[in-house]
Amino acid sequence: DIVMTQSPDSLAVSLGERATINCKASQSVLHSSNNKNYLAWYQQKPGQPPKLLIYWASTRGSGVPDRFSGSGSGTDFTLTISGLQAEDVALYYCHQYLTVPITFGQGTRLDIK
Amino acid sequence: EVQVVESGGGLVQPGGSLRLSCAASGFTFRNYAMTWVRQAPGKGLEWVSAITSGGNTYYTDSVKGRFTISRDISKNTVYLQMSSLRAEDTAMYYCAKEQTWAVPHWPDSWGQGTLVTVSS
Repeated sequence: DIVMTQSPDSLAVSLGERATINCKASQSVLHSSNNKNYLAWYQQKPGQPPKLLIYWASTRGSGVPDRFSGSGSGTDFTLTISGLQAEDVALYYCHQYLTVPITFGQGTRLDIK
Repeated sequence: EVQVVESGGGLVQPGGSLRLSCAASGFTFRNYAMTWVRQAPGKGLEWVSAITSGGNTYYTDSVKGRFTISRDISKNTVYLQMSSLRAEDTAMYYCAKEQTWAVPHWPDSWGQGTLVTVSS
């Protein structure tokens, strides 16, 4: 199984500042046949289901604000939220879909400082 | 608008059975894979099972032999039959539409979840 490890477990950022969440895979999630990284990011607010933010490591989902961006390749990935807004307080999960079992990171809690 | 609505959760004793349902609408159900993901109270997300548009099924190791995923195209519904339930199966169970017909891909639309509690 591919183990996904996020860092930090939690962070607090001031409104308007940048938040950065890291995700490391235990093996590469880059598929050689199409040179795509099989990595997605989700946001989960309290009492709500997860919401897709990013897929293919850097493609924003439908309706996702452009302050959310994803980067990285192979085993190391980053979710960046530029210009943090109060509504961004949530848990964030990375997710690999290269192989079954599909696996998620343990989650990163983002709060306002 | 894509919608997935789960039902069937509840309180069940250890060793018991439960069938979860997930009704889908707003997209061509037969063309997409569907996935179940669970979240134990206060914990992270755990993928449980998925079924492709063609009916191929996949399970995480901890539920193999105990859970069965299936789909009824005529009813736009996917099911998760759960048996030999354990306390560690207690979780919110989310149904989600996959991005394409195959597994694995990324779930792009999620339901609100149905809560399963396994306790005596």
